[in-house]
Amino acid sequence: EIQLVESGGGLVQPGGSLRLSCVASGFTFSSYSINWVRQAPGKGLEWISYISSDGNTAFYADSVKGRFTISRDNAKNSVYLQMNSLRDDDTAVYYCAKYGTYAYFHDWGQGTLVTVSS
Amino acid sequence: DIQMTQSPSTLSASVGDRVIITCRASQSISSWLAWYQQKPGKAPKVLIYTATNLDSGVPSRFSGSGSGTEFTLTISSLQPDDFATYYCQHYKSYPWTFGQGTKVEVK
Repeated sequence: EIQLVESGGGLVQPGGSLRLSCVASGFTFSSYSINWVRQAPGKGLEWISYISSDGNTAFYADSVKGRFTISRDNAKNSVYLQMNSLRDDDTAVYYCAKYGTYAYFHDWGQGTLVTVSS
Repeated sequence: DIQMTQSPSTLSASVGDRVIITCRASQSISSWLAWYQQKPGKAPKVLIYTATNLDSGVPSRFSGSGSGTEFTLTISSLQPDDFATYYCQHYKSYPWTFGQGTKVEVK
């Protein structure tokens, strides 16, 4: 069974930093790219970042470019999202997600809540 | 960026109703479209991929159609478990974007 488990969320002040983790199991982690998708309270879904299976390619949404950095450690079956210069509008549930046959999100974690507030 | 627009934003329906949700892309995305169902407090679940393909385990009352810029998700006979929010998502080119969502509520 494929599992993705996020952690690292919490309350942080505007301008602060946080690092999210996503630990995967149930599949050959090093063969798959991973994404982060977020959802602000009561709002829709927003894709924010992608990392390739070997970690050499990353993409970001404009809303987080220059502030967030995605990385992975295939030896630990883990993907990370380093979030700096956090703003109020970064408040959201952050999900890690694995592609299906194509670039749609087939497998999702349970999400971790990030709250940016003073 | 490709913009995805869903309609309606909210849909009131009864069990047994045929429900149709529309998703429009701001430019052609061929058939690179997925549909998701999300219930409160839960992660989304993929229903349809590549516009018309039903994901494994998804009931056959769900179907998808369309290509280019116009797509539909149809629930042929709404069941109690189907009251949820539905999203479309394109995967033609980065950045992937979602529609704003359609909430299917009890009439």
